[in-house]
Amino acid sequence: AQKITQTQPGMFVQEKEAVTLDCTYDTSDQSYGLFWYKQPSSGEMIFLIYQGSYDEQNATEGRYSLNFQKARKSANLVISASQLGDSAMYFCAMSLNTGNQFYFGTGTSLTVIP
Amino acid sequence: DTAVSQTPKYLVTQMGNDKSIKCEQNLGHDTMYWYKQDSKKFLKIMFSYNNKELIINETVPNRFSPKSPDKAHLNLHINSLELGDSAVYFCASSRSEGYGYTFGSGTRLTVV
Repeated sequence: AQKITQTQPGMFVQEKEAVTLDCTYDTSDQSYGLFWYKQPSSGEMIFLIYQGSYDEQNATEGRYSLNFQKARKSANLVISASQLGDSAMYFCAMSLNTGNQFYFGTGTSLTVIP
Repeated sequence: DTAVSQTPKYLVTQMGNDKSIKCEQNLGHDTMYWYKQDSKKFLKIMFSYNNKELIINETVPNRFSPKSPDKAHLNLHINSLELGDSAVYFCASSRSEGYGYTFGSGTRLTVV
């Protein structure tokens, strides 16, 4: 069963504008972690941001913030003031404390337009 | 210092050959993984090792054999390479509690 769903295969955003990348997840566990990774064209996987299921406040890291809505089981990534270097694939992921495994979404390709 | 290092970064080889990809982490993590990323960018777990012991072995051909000589290393050996093995292979590590992964830079394998 698909545990992480990213419904936007491709997104475009104008430079300096904000963009939201959607992610929904499915688990019956109470304790889990949600992550976003960036994969630029060079291929490496870069950790961006983490949200724990018990964290009451939304995580923020610089221009990245995670809009965590637990009841809706969504963990959207918001990138503010987009830059050309933000063009990349973005993966949402979830870790469960049971099984020691990550579940990745299918990714969203973001293109920042000058 | 590189946290998770994979070698080689690129590997081009002929069908039928045997090849290995090496992975080392210097983070003191207990768990290491191999993921395969196909042409559609989908990431699929292959193996997971915790303290040198195999804990996840997803449905992969038995031509793929992981080897973990110690908890800082998890190598991937592939026998009798096939065209469909062409992909990017990522090594990763994490604390055993299942916190976020740290990925290696990936190995782009091309079988010709």
